[in-house]
Amino acid sequence: DQQVKQNSPSLSVQEGRISILNCDYTNSMFDYFLWYKKYPAEGPTFLISISSIKDKNEDGRFTVFLNKSAKHLSLHIVPSQPGDSAVYFCAVTQGAQKLVFGQGTRLTINP
Amino acid sequence: DAGVIQSPRHEVTEMGQEVTLRCKPISGHDYLFWYRQTMMRGLELLIYFNNNVPIDDSGMPEDRFSAKMPNASFSTLKIQPSEPRDSAVYFCASGLSGTGETQYFGPGTRLLVL
Repeated sequence: DQQVKQNSPSLSVQEGRISILNCDYTNSMFDYFLWYKKYPAEGPTFLISISSIKDKNEDGRFTVFLNKSAKHLSLHIVPSQPGDSAVYFCAVTQGAQKLVFGQGTRLTINP
Repeated sequence: DAGVIQSPRHEVTEMGQEVTLRCKPISGHDYLFWYRQTMMRGLELLIYFNNNVPIDDSGMPEDRFSAKMPNASFSTLKIQPSEPRDSAVYFCASGLSGTGETQYFGPGTRLLVL
């Protein structure tokens, strides 16, 4: 019973274009949403987050969008750079520190 | 800041042996988490502590797994006896109250049980 789903295991984007990573969740009570980035042989690194009272949060090239009615979260990276190639995890929580992670999407940026 | 420190980085052991994984959280953080990552189950929370007290251990797979946090700067995850299905990457993460749910992960321990 997956509470958080990232339906695309992989995504390939050309350098300079926009990368869009998607995440769906099942529980409308989740109130905080995060994206983590993971390089091989390293731990996940926090990237950006959004609370349920917002629908958009931007940090440089990274923007997270939240559609509560659709229970859908997305991460936009623009422009995409080779260093963005990594596995991206979305994570959700409900009023506590306990995170539930999606399965991850492997993003490859092609030069 | 050194970040979250985990040791060992790699561990190869034989089935039935005891395995101890170690973690030093970021200084001043009051939350500590243990995660396991496998191909089948992804990244799953095993247990977490707040101010050295275990809060939720519902993710611990079975009694062979135990975790302790004797002080604010050290935690262990022990598997006894280990089994091949325990092979995974184990991550420790720490976090700070009042900073949202952001957690900072260590580099992980890659465990292989033969």
